[in-house]
Amino acid sequence: AQSVTQPDIHITVSEGASLELRCNYSYGATPYLFWYVQSPGQGLQLLLKYFSGDTLVQGIKGFEAEFKRSQSSFNLRKPSVHWSDAAEYFCAVGPMDSNYQLIWGAGTKLIIKP
Amino acid sequence: NAGVTQTPKFRILKIGQSMTLQCTQDMNHNYMYWYRQDPGMGLKLIYYSVGAGITDKGEVPNGYNVSRSTTEDFPLRLELAAPSQTSVYFCASSYSLAGGHLSSYNEQFFGPGTRLTVL
Repeated sequence: AQSVTQPDIHITVSEGASLELRCNYSYGATPYLFWYVQSPGQGLQLLLKYFSGDTLVQGIKGFEAEFKRSQSSFNLRKPSVHWSDAAEYFCAVGPMDSNYQLIWGAGTKLIIKP
Repeated sequence: NAGVTQTPKFRILKIGQSMTLQCTQDMNHNYMYWYRQDPGMGLKLIYYSVGAGITDKGEVPNGYNVSRSTTEDFPLRLELAAPSQTSVYFCASSYSLAGGHLSSYNEQFFGPGTRLTVL
């Protein structure tokens, strides 16, 4: 069955430190890939997406993600986090089958230490 | 431009009660979605709509109903609330010019959510 795994439930980083959030998917072919962010009390917002082409994707708020086909991964990175980045981050995949509905990971909660 | 709005923000129901979760978007989006988010789980699609008058089941539709009489509104109805429906509910919308299945992968805009508890 298709699935999305975000192995880290919580991650704590210091302000100014670099960040990497992991996302792995299980699917036979390369799906469409997404990262969304949910700030406290808010709905989800799209950070970036990968459909094809360059495997390093730039998004909003200084985030980027790299698609690695060999590892079935789409990890999210930021070189220097800010306190305002504290939020929950969701990875999602869009399989190329008859359903065409997003499959979501369970989310990773990012905590920023001052 | 308010985006996607949801009411209420919080609600406690007793088993067997019914209620409607309201969702309105002012972006003239043709696609709308209802998701539920359970603790430690990803979002699960309940129902979606590709336009006024057209709705379809998602992954977890049992116990819910929807209607889409206008482009703006997409209410979710719980007829006989059960504890298993305790969750956070999100409404979302997206726009597709061309239509087609891949339109589901256009950026989705989410409301702030409704936290529902069934006791």
